[in-house]
Amino acid sequence: AQTVTQSQPEMSVQEAETVTLSCTYDTSENNYYLFWYKQPPSRQMILVIRQEAYKQQNATENRFSVNFQKAAKSFSLKISDSQLGDTAMYFCAFWSGGSNYKLTFGKGTLLTVNP
Amino acid sequence: DTGVSQDPRHKITKRGQNVTFRCDPISEHNRLYWYRQTLGQGPEFLTYFQNEAQLEKSRLLSDRFSAERPKGSFSTLEIQRTEQGDSAMYLCASSSGQGHEQYFGPGTRLTVT
Repeated sequence: AQTVTQSQPEMSVQEAETVTLSCTYDTSENNYYLFWYKQPPSRQMILVIRQEAYKQQNATENRFSVNFQKAAKSFSLKISDSQLGDTAMYFCAFWSGGSNYKLTFGKGTLLTVNP
Repeated sequence: DTGVSQDPRHKITKRGQNVTFRCDPISEHNRLYWYRQTLGQGPEFLTYFQNEAQLEKSRLLSDRFSAERPKGSFSTLEIQRTEQGDSAMYLCASSSGQGHEQYFGPGTRLTVT
C-alpha cells in the first residue's frame, strides 16, 4: 500500500518570500503520478500542480514549482513570491496509475502567509 | 462547466438516524469518487464509480454505508444508523477519462450528535 507523509503540520512565511513544503511517499510502483492540492479555509480543494513519475523535468505552474526526486521518493512544493491568498492547507497526493484511480493523501501542511 | 456540486453543505443529525448526501459531477466526467476527511487529516478514499458501475470500495466503507450512481450521472452516499464517529467532511470528486486530475466539490460536513 502506498503512503504519503507530510512532516510539517504548520508553516508560515512572509508575503513575497519563498517557502518549500515537504512530501515523501512510499511505493513499489515505477509509473505513478503526484499532486499538490490546496484547500483554502472553508473552500473546496483545487489542484495546484501535478508530476508524472516518468518525466524527469520538474513541473512548474507560475509561482508554484516542484522538486521531484524519484530515487529519494521526495516531492516538495516551492511557492515563490508568496501571496496572502496562498494561505491554505496543502495536501500532497499520490496516484499509482492503471485501473486504481484513488488518490492517497498526506495529512496536510497548514501554510499561513503573513503580511 | 459549473464544477462539482454537493448537497447539503452541512448536516446535523442525531445518532442512529439515516442521512443521504448528493453529488453532481462535472457533466462530461464519467468517473466519480467519494472521500472522507476528518479534522487534521487528509481525505481518505471511500469508493469510486466509472459511469454507473461501482468499481472499488474501501474497507472504511462499512455495511452502514452505501453509494449509488444511477444512470452514471449524480451520485448519492447514504449512511444508515449514524454514529458519532461518522462526523466528518464528505468530499466528492470527478474526473474524465482523458486526464488524471480529480475536481473536488465543496463537501458535505456531517455532525452526528
